[in-house]
Amino acid sequence: SQKIEQNSEALNIQEGKTATLTCNYTNYSPAYLQWYRQDPGRGPVFLLLIRENEKEKRKERLKVTFDTTLKQSLFHITASQPADSATYLCALGLPLKSGGSYIPTFGRGTSLIVHP
Amino acid sequence: DARVTQTPRHKVTEMGQEVTMRCQPILGHNTVFWYRQTMMQGLELLAYFRNRAPLDDSGMPKDRFSAEMPDATLATLKIQPSEPRDSAVYFCASGLGLRSNNEQFFGPGTRLTVL
Repeated sequence: SQKIEQNSEALNIQEGKTATLTCNYTNYSPAYLQWYRQDPGRGPVFLLLIRENEKEKRKERLKVTFDTTLKQSLFHITASQPADSATYLCALGLPLKSGGSYIPTFGRGTSLIVHP
Repeated sequence: DARVTQTPRHKVTEMGQEVTMRCQPILGHNTVFWYRQTMMQGLELLAYFRNRAPLDDSGMPKDRFSAEMPDATLATLKIQPSEPRDSAVYFCASGLGLRSNNEQFFGPGTRLTVL
């Protein structure tokens, strides 16, 4: 069966440490992988995209890796701050059943809590 | 700054009633998505439009749900008749497709409660 797995347990870390979140998938061959942030009561906000032929992408304190052999993406936030506390969703770019377009299919997200 | 807007933000209704949710995508965006989010299932894609044409609605229960884009500034999601299991937060998102990393801009959502 096809699955996108993110840790359902919240990740608790101390301010200043690096947070690492994991997105694993099975039986998919995504064209790309995205990470979104979602705050309570709000819609997800796009953070980063990494394509299938890329190994790593960085943006400010964020770093994403993509290993298509392991079928895994890691999302890192360095020097974490309490304001980084949120739920982080990964989304795989998968083809429509009708073919043609690749559109995001979301995991269920992992909650990150950064303690001061 | 440009945002996706959704109305209503909250809706409480009784089983069997019709519910209509509206979305105004960001001006110039050519893709529109409807998602449903629940604790159990996470974010599920219900429908996808490109240039106002429906390209995928396989995630939508066809017997009671319908999605349309009467024009480029309005997308609607209708449930008739509604059931308690439809209680969820419904998100609309718009984007520019592959030209923009497939980034989706989400609206604030409509929280639907069906009693």
